[in-house]
Amino acid sequence: EAGVTQSPTHLIKTRGQQATLRCSPISGHTSVYWYQQALGLGLQFLLWYDEGEERNRGNFPPRFSGRQFPNYSSELNVNALELEDSALYLCATGTGGTGELFFGEGSRLTVL
Amino acid sequence: AQSVTQPDIHITVSEGASLELRCNYSYGATPYLFWYVQSPGQGLQLLLKYFSGDTLVQGIKGFEAEFKRSQSSFNLRKPSVHWSDAAEYFCAVGAWGSSNTCKLIFGQGTTLQVKP
Repeated sequence: EAGVTQSPTHLIKTRGQQATLRCSPISGHTSVYWYQQALGLGLQFLLWYDEGEERNRGNFPPRFSGRQFPNYSSELNVNALELEDSALYLCATGTGGTGELFFGEGSRLTVL
Repeated sequence: AQSVTQPDIHITVSEGASLELRCNYSYGATPYLFWYVQSPGQGLQLLLKYFSGDTLVQGIKGFEAEFKRSQSSFNLRKPSVHWSDAAEYFCAVGAWGSSNTCKLIFGQGTTLQVKP
């Protein structure tokens, strides 16, 4: 069974540009979570989608947004990129019932 | 508010030595607790989880953790560390929200270095 897949693996952008990251969940998982892992800051909760709706968001500005599609895959969009947005963005999926999450390998975003 | 504290940012142990990584949580109800491991450049892999029942939980790769409610702790242990255990370890608590769904709140992580 395929795990959580994320694309692209690496992405290089310049300040002010937009980045789009994608996540495909494990079959049967309806919840998608996005986390930001910046150097020295641990995992910071970004967004949580379930059944196509945004359920919760972390303490991030509105230029971080996303959506979940009918097939439960998800996109994370980051507008007006800033240098401090450089990080590993991890997608995790689950069924929402127990909190157990399965993680993808992440998309590393570098903002120059 | 729910939170997780991992007091040790960096730990170095010798191969074959025992290991204990500390985790303290703050949560108003009975917590769901997790330990994840992250190898360099990789995503997170679940080591073990505690939902209820026996407070000593066995996980993969020879790891175990003990839930102590009185101390709000969920420390991770391994009797004999292998060089391949060098990685970053995250403790997490499941926080229940609306719609009967749960999100994970992570500690800052502990980096484990293993000396030959």
